[in-house]
Amino acid sequence: NAGVTQTPKFRVLKTGQSMTLLCAQDMNHEYMYWYRQDPGMGLRLIHYSVGEGTTAKGEVPDGYNVSRLKKQNFLLGLESAAPSQTSVYFCASSYRLAGEGTGELFFGEGSRLTVL
Amino acid sequence: AQSVTQLDSHVSVSEGTPVLLRCNYSSSYSPSLFWYVQHPNKGLQLLLKYTSAATLVKGINGFEAEFKKSETSFHLTKPSAHMSDAAEYFCVVSDRGGGADGLTFGKGTHLIIQP
Repeated sequence: NAGVTQTPKFRVLKTGQSMTLLCAQDMNHEYMYWYRQDPGMGLRLIHYSVGEGTTAKGEVPDGYNVSRLKKQNFLLGLESAAPSQTSVYFCASSYRLAGEGTGELFFGEGSRLTVL
Repeated sequence: AQSVTQLDSHVSVSEGTPVLLRCNYSSSYSPSLFWYVQHPNKGLQLLLKYTSAATLVKGINGFEAEFKKSETSFHLTKPSAHMSDAAEYFCVVSDRGGGADGLTFGKGTHLIIQP
């Protein structure tokens, strides 16, 4: 059981380049999330999805786009990368909506992105 | 609005001694509280959770936490530290009904285990 898988694990971009991070989960979860983790900041929610074909903004959505064409996949795109987007990105999924308080989040191992 | 404060950014203990990681929260509602652990270069994993049942919650790997409403605290403890406990620990609060962005993560506590 793979759980939540993120690709790629590492990437270096130049300012202005674009890229897509892929998240795949095999637990049949409805809810999926993208977070970014920066030193001393904890995790901040970028975008999330409550089901196939849906997306919504989180706390820090600017500069990112997402798509959920298939239930098991959640893509995070950077249209024009900026140095401020240097971070570690985590995808997570859950059976119940995170903010309902009873659900557990299952995380991928992270994707480390550096923007020069 | 909810918030969570992890009172120590780094905690260092010797192997075999007790661990205490401190977390205070604020919440307008009856909160759910979680502790997650992140080992180096790994994703976060749920350690334990409080969701209004017993106030003393037991988790994996011998960790436990006690919900104290009067002190608005949810401190994480373990009687005897092991080298494998070295990791980053996050306290998380949720106002139930807050939606996907209803989770607030603390800034993390880095636990160092000295041999």
